[in-house]
Amino acid sequence: AQSVTQPDIHITVSEGASLELRCNYSYGATPYLFWYVQSPGQGLQLLLKYFSGDTLVQGIKGFEAEFKRSQSSFNLRKPSVHWSDAAEYFCAVGGNTNAGKSTFGDGTTLTVKP
Amino acid sequence: DTAVSQTPKYLVTQMGNDKSIKCEQNLGHDTMYWYKQDSKKFLKIMFSYNNKELIINETVPNRFSPKSPDKAHLNLHINSLELGDSAVYFCASSPTGGETAEAFFGQGTRLTVV
Repeated sequence: AQSVTQPDIHITVSEGASLELRCNYSYGATPYLFWYVQSPGQGLQLLLKYFSGDTLVQGIKGFEAEFKRSQSSFNLRKPSVHWSDAAEYFCAVGGNTNAGKSTFGDGTTLTVKP
Repeated sequence: DTAVSQTPKYLVTQMGNDKSIKCEQNLGHDTMYWYKQDSKKFLKIMFSYNNKELIINETVPNRFSPKSPDKAHLNLHINSLELGDSAVYFCASSPTGGETAEAFFGQGTRLTVV
């Protein structure tokens, strides 16, 4: 069965500091990996996705993520956090079809200090 | 022009009532989903429809009945509402397969059962 673990429930960073959100997955085949962001009171928006190819993927809003098969990880990074990045972040893993039925992690809440 | 739209955005109702949430997508996607997000923000898939056919039913009580009149619509009807049904319900859609198989989410419907 597929599963996703986001070890950090809550992270606080200062504005302008770098950010890394951790994601570990379990999947029996080649995983499709996603990061979504949920701003307060909003739906989820896709930040980036990995299917194959280059293991470092770039997304929207200056985010990137690196797929490391040996560590079963897909960590999300941003070099300089903005106050508007405060939100809930979800990592998800799915198969090669119907990604909407992906398994989601429990989310990491990001707080940005001024 | 909203891609995935849900109505209503907020729904407050008494225990025992029957209510419906509507969802429409204008993306031309083949697959639509209902997710439930609880108070701890855990996101779990409830149903998945592909071209109006049910393909996923994740052990949801049979008080919940999805209906898909066409592939652009997936409505959720809930009978005999219980306090534990209070949550945010998200509709999502995705194309089937391929590298574009990411999920597009609606804004959510916050259901409060009193």
